[in-house]
Amino acid sequence: GQNIDQPTEMTATEGAIVQINCTYQTSGFNGLFWYQQHAGEAPTFLSYNVLDGLEEKGRFSSFLSRSKGYSYLLLKELQMKDSASYLCAVTDSNYQLIWGAGTKLIIKP
Amino acid sequence: IAGITQAPTSQILAAGRRMTLRCTQDMRHNAMYWYRQDLGLGLRLIHYSNTAGTTGKGEVPDGYSVSRANTDDFPLTLASAVPSQTSVYFCASSDSTGGGADTQYFGPGTRLTVL
Repeated sequence: GQNIDQPTEMTATEGAIVQINCTYQTSGFNGLFWYQQHAGEAPTFLSYNVLDGLEEKGRFSSFLSRSKGYSYLLLKELQMKDSASYLCAVTDSNYQLIWGAGTKLIIKP
Repeated sequence: IAGITQAPTSQILAAGRRMTLRCTQDMRHNAMYWYRQDLGLGLRLIHYSNTAGTTGKGEVPDGYSVSRANTDDFPLTLASAVPSQTSVYFCASSDSTGGGADTQYFGPGTRLTVL
């Protein structure tokens, strides 16, 4: 079956760095997305990786290793507004998006 | 402002009633999707449409139907609501013809409670 695993919840301190991991087992691979979702709101696009390596976008970076079925989202200089859930999603061979359950990130002052 | 709108924002519905959730986008995206999101679970695809006039079943289609008469609108209908359909429903769109590698943009969601 298809499966995406990410931690349920993480806690970090304002100003620090946090890494949210995502491992996946899917039938085929056509890219991996990270979305941010604040409580009670819609998911919003953060990043997309289809090739191995690191993609950097401001305070956020996303890494992909296709051979390991692994990705992480790195958030630097954490701000209170970064408190949200972070969703990992993989596009399979049928171009369907398979979603992880999300990681709730709690930022403490 | 361009984007996706959904209506209603929230609804409480008696079991057995029929309900249509509305979704409209003004980005001229080809593909549209309906998801449900439940606590502890990832987003689950209910139905999708790669282009106007076509629809397809997702992971959890039972009890739901959709239509895609034009590019902008993609309503989701619950023919006879049951309590297990209590959830938050998100509509999304992407500028593709079914290639899921394209970024999906989400509406604000509809919170549905079936009693």
